[in-house]
Amino acid sequence: EAGVAQSPRYKIIEKRQSVAFWCNPISGHATLYWYQQILGQGPKLLIQFQNNGVVDDSQLPKDRFSAERLKGVDSTLKIQPAKLEDSAVYLCASRGRTSGSLSTDTQYFGPGTRLTVL
Amino acid sequence: DAKTTQPPSMDCAEGRAANLPCNHSTISGNEYVYWYRQIHSQGPQYIIHGLKNNETNEMASLIITEDRKSSTLILPHATLRDTAVYYCIVRSANFGNEKLTFGTGTRLTIIP
Repeated sequence: EAGVAQSPRYKIIEKRQSVAFWCNPISGHATLYWYQQILGQGPKLLIQFQNNGVVDDSQLPKDRFSAERLKGVDSTLKIQPAKLEDSAVYLCASRGRTSGSLSTDTQYFGPGTRLTVL
Repeated sequence: DAKTTQPPSMDCAEGRAANLPCNHSTISGNEYVYWYRQIHSQGPQYIIHGLKNNETNEMASLIITEDRKSSTLILPHATLRDTAVYYCIVRSANFGNEKLTFGTGTRLTIIP
């Protein structure tokens, strides 16, 4: 089973520029998440999609961040304009079933995109 | 979600068992204990989860105390590739409330 794909892996921009990240979830996973991980901290949820609808975007800074999942599969996260404090790793995850006797849903993460804002 | 408490760092000799503790004293009856790990420059990786009983899979074992207020993740024969940050997370079992709230985790270093 292929994992969650993300691109680009690295991006360097100057403040006030725009940037976009792409995510392709595991096939068949209806739920998709975007997280922000600042150096030295755990990931923080930005937005959750169920198919192409937003379930939770309470932590998304909507004045500069936007995300979409138009066809319920791939997703893009955009920052416009970027600030220095947006330097972080942006992680995408999708949700599916675990294996084993206590099977339940859990999240599977992509490798992330490391953004540096200068 | 209930909060968890983990030591910030631990060392373990290669080939020995690594035992990572986690306190979750305010856990409620319908909350799972999940463990993830994050190897440098990678996304978090699911390891194991449990509710009441101990669990084992190909990666690790999870021991949950009878009162469910703490748990221990056991990597039976640690290798250098197990060097990572390990996150203990308490998550609701209710459908539609599967949010994961990450803390700062335990940085495990495997010593050759």
